[in-house]
Amino acid sequence: EVQLVESGGGLVQPGRSLRLSCAASGFTFDDYAMHWVRQAPGKGLEWVSGISWNSGSIGYADSVKGRFTISRDNAKNSLYLQMNSLRAEDTALYYCAKDCGGDCYEEGAFDIWGQGTMVTVSS
Amino acid sequence: DIQMTQSPSTLSASVGDRVTITCRASQSISSWLAWYQQKPGKAPKLLIYKASSLESGVPSRFSGSGSGTEFTLTISSLQPDDFATYYCQQYNSYSGLTFGGGTKVEIK
Repeated sequence: EVQLVESGGGLVQPGRSLRLSCAASGFTFDDYAMHWVRQAPGKGLEWVSGISWNSGSIGYADSVKGRFTISRDNAKNSLYLQMNSLRAEDTALYYCAKDCGGDCYEEGAFDIWGQGTMVTVSS
Repeated sequence: DIQMTQSPSTLSASVGDRVTITCRASQSISSWLAWYQQKPGKAPKLLIYKASSLESGVPSRFSGSGSGTEFTLTISSLQPDDFATYYCQQYNSYSGLTFGGGTKVEIK
C-alpha cells in the first residue's frame, strides 16, 4: 500500500525551530519529487516547498524562503522539513505529498498525500 | 508567482445537478492544471491533472477542460459523496506552485 506518514509537529514558541519528517512506503521513493503543502485552520491549501528526486532542484514559497529547508534521504525513504524562525502565521496542518511525475505528464501535481502533522506556533 | 482565482467560493446544489467550477490563472499555464477534492478532516485527493486527464479510480462524472488561463471542473450529476471543497492548482512553474482559494460544494 502506498503510504506517507508525517511526524514531528507540535506546539512551539515563536522564533523557535521544528523539524518535520515524512516516511514513505509502497512506491519507489527515489523515482519521484516530493513536496510539503500546508493548510491553516479553516483555510485553503498552500504549497510550501518541493524537492526533486535527487535533491538537485528545490523550490520554496516566498512566505517560507530563508526560514525553511527541505531535504530528503532516499536510503531511508524519508522527506524532511526544517522550520526555523517560526511565526504565528506558520500555524497549520503540514502535509507531505508525492509528486505525480511523469504519470501526470509533468512534475508538480500531487497524487499521494499523508494525513498531515499539526504545527502550532504560539507563546 | 502565478495567482489562481476560483469561482464561486461556495456553491449550493442538489443531488443530480450538473455543477461547474471555474479557475482562472493570472498568466498562461498551458494545460498544467490539477483539480483536487477535499472532505473535512481528510487530505486532498487528486481528481484531474493536465487540465482534462482523469486520475485513475476517479468517477467519470468528473471532467476538466480549458487551457491558457481559464479552466473548468464539471460534475455531470452530483452525488452525495461529492459534497466537499474543490481546489485547482497550477504546476506551470515548479518553483512557485499555487492553489486556488477553493470552492465549497454544499447541499441545497
